[in-house]
Amino acid sequence: DTEVTQTPKHLVMGMTNKKSLKCEQHMGHRAMYWYKQKAKKPPELMFVYSYEKLSINESVPSRFSPECPNSSLLNLHLHALQPEDSALYLCASSQRGALDTIYFGEGSWLTVV
Amino acid sequence: AQSVTQLDSQVPVFEEAPVELRCNYSSSVSVYLFWYVQYPNQGLQLLLKYLSGSTLVESINGFEAEFNKSQTSFHLRKPSVHISDTAEYFCAVSGRAGSYQLTFGKGTKLSVIP
Repeated sequence: DTEVTQTPKHLVMGMTNKKSLKCEQHMGHRAMYWYKQKAKKPPELMFVYSYEKLSINESVPSRFSPECPNSSLLNLHLHALQPEDSALYLCASSQRGALDTIYFGEGSWLTVV
Repeated sequence: AQSVTQLDSQVPVFEEAPVELRCNYSSSVSVYLFWYVQYPNQGLQLLLKYLSGSTLVESINGFEAEFNKSQTSFHLRKPSVHISDTAEYFCAVSGRAGSYQLTFGKGTKLSVIP
């Protein structure tokens, strides 16, 4: 099983809402990532968890809050987002670091209205 | 610090013709290079990577890339493209073993014309 599963696939939320994006992998990978991708742009790294501990936070605004409940799950909690936060949010995982194959989910399309 | 430059934002090519997608890198340390592909409405998939050893690396679906240190390039080639190769292709670099960070290029949209 070489899958990273993300839910929901599409999410529309208002600027005062609280929502969460969820990600799951069962490959035994120890590194999990959140990326943000705007249309026609490359993915931008947001957060990295390594062995369930937050390893990298790329100066992401606090309205994005990651959580890693266990080695298979990764959440991204969203609160008070802005319209410019509308994007494709990609979850990914790898055995260890970036030199290993990074497996990406299909993404969650987020629209903030 | 490392970076990659993908010289073409769009490459249209006829089916069964050869294609080359260009990627140049800049790095002050050891360099590890990758090509990822993103099909429409999907996440990214690793196509191939160069970590060390042979400078020519191949993917299972007929793509190959050659690490050229003197020209600081890692161009992606395929001798004969199919409609199913239509996708966005991202070149990426990592500068350190153990790093979690990949620096992606801006991407090249490959459009295969029937």
